Amino acid sequence: EAGVAQSPRYKIIEKRQSVAFWCNPISGHATLYWYQQILGQGPKLLIQFQNNGVVDDSQLPKDRFSAERLKGVDSTLKIQPAKLEDSAVYLCASSLDRVIEQYFGPGTRLTVT
Amino acid sequence: TQLLEQSPQFLSIQEGENLTVYCNSSSVFSSLQWYRQEPGEGPVLLVTVVTGGEVKKLKRLTFQFGDARKDSSLHITAAQPGDTGLYLCADNYGQNFVFGPGTRLSVLP
Repeated sequence: EAGVAQSPRYKIIEKRQSVAFWCNPISGHATLYWYQQILGQGPKLLIQFQNNGVVDDSQLPKDRFSAERLKGVDSTLKIQPAKLEDSAVYLCASSLDRVIEQYFGPGTRLTVT
Repeated sequence: TQLLEQSPQFLSIQEGENLTVYCNSSSVFSSLQWYRQEPGEGPVLLVTVVTGGEVKKLKRLTFQFGDARKDSSLHITAAQPGDTGLYLCADNYGQNFVFGPGTRLSVLP
């Protein structure tokens, strides 16, 4: 069974530029999560989708971050414009349902200079 | 807002030693999960505990959940270099997940 795929693995941009990350969850998984993991911290949930609907985006900085999950399969997370403090690893995870084990992708390491 | 604390923050030991890391919550856990995250990878679930006082064993790893369901420990016996990684505790809180900051373990050969 293929795991959660994310791309790119690494991205370096300058502040005020835009960036997008892509996630393809495990086939059949209804729930998809985006997390931000700053160096030295645990992952922080940004947004959770159930199929193509948003369940929770209370910690998503909506003035600059956006995410979508069209057709309830893969998802993109966008930052526009990026700030220095957005430097982090962005993890995508998926699960069969909201209360069942979640599987993480390898993450995208973003550096904003 | 629930806060999870983990200690120690860093731990470096020799192969073959035993160790214990801790996780404490500001409120009662809904269900506690322990993850291990290796460099350049996402976290991988090790165990889920739900019942206060519960003890689970996974090979050389022993997970203990406090009676009051506000704390947990992870004990590793005879640590190996393959145990190196970031150990995270998390709560499945209101169908979302709240993570602690992690304990970074380094096992030297």
